Amino acid sequence: DQQVKQNSPSLSVQEGRISILNCDYTNSMFDYFLWYKKYPAEGPTFLISISSIKDKNEDGRFTVFLNKSAKHLSLHIVPSQPGDSAVYFCAAKGSGSARQLTFGSGTQLTVLP
Amino acid sequence: GAVVSQHPSRVICKSGTSVKIECRSLDFQATTMFWYRQFPKQSLMLMATSNEGSKATYEQGVEKDKFLINHASLTLSTLTVTSAHPEDSSFYICSAPRSTGNTEAFFGQGTRLTVV
Repeated sequence: DQQVKQNSPSLSVQEGRISILNCDYTNSMFDYFLWYKKYPAEGPTFLISISSIKDKNEDGRFTVFLNKSAKHLSLHIVPSQPGDSAVYFCAAKGSGSARQLTFGSGTQLTVLP
Repeated sequence: GAVVSQHPSRVICKSGTSVKIECRSLDFQATTMFWYRQFPKQSLMLMATSNEGSKATYEQGVEKDKFLINHASLTLSTLTVTSAHPEDSSFYICSAPRSTGNTEAFFGQGTRLTVV
């Protein structure tokens, strides 16, 4: 049973426009959410995170929104740049001492010049 | 720069041999490290949690005798794929969380294992 779901395997966006990547989760015990960016044959790199007590976190071109009642979060990238083309993983961490992350299946973002 | 270093980045081995993958935290001590596996176009699946000074905790369905994990120091965890078979070919990634707060986990560069 997938606890973190990214239902869109791919997304194409024109350069300069907004990219919106979505993520849904089922486990209400998750208390921290993260977005990672991954290039082929490399490990994921951290982008931005949000605690469950917040509904928005912004860092430069990246903003993450959390809707706890809907168990939904999204990553907004604006303006999108060709260098943003990568696979984006949503991840969640449960409350308590365990620090392992549960990942979604990823969304391949392609930003077209 | 990278705070978690994973080595090797790519390895090809013959079926039946063993392969060791190293994961090092570079500027912090990691009492816990995580090992993931990624199949093509799929998510990162947690294989096991490596605990410094104690036995690793394996996820359901992961063979502990096949994927040996050793966390001998606060900066090094190793994953040994024993008696490798072609179906073990995959992308293996380690990660280490910082010890304080809810900060993000840092990932190694990953190891592409190909068993021929």
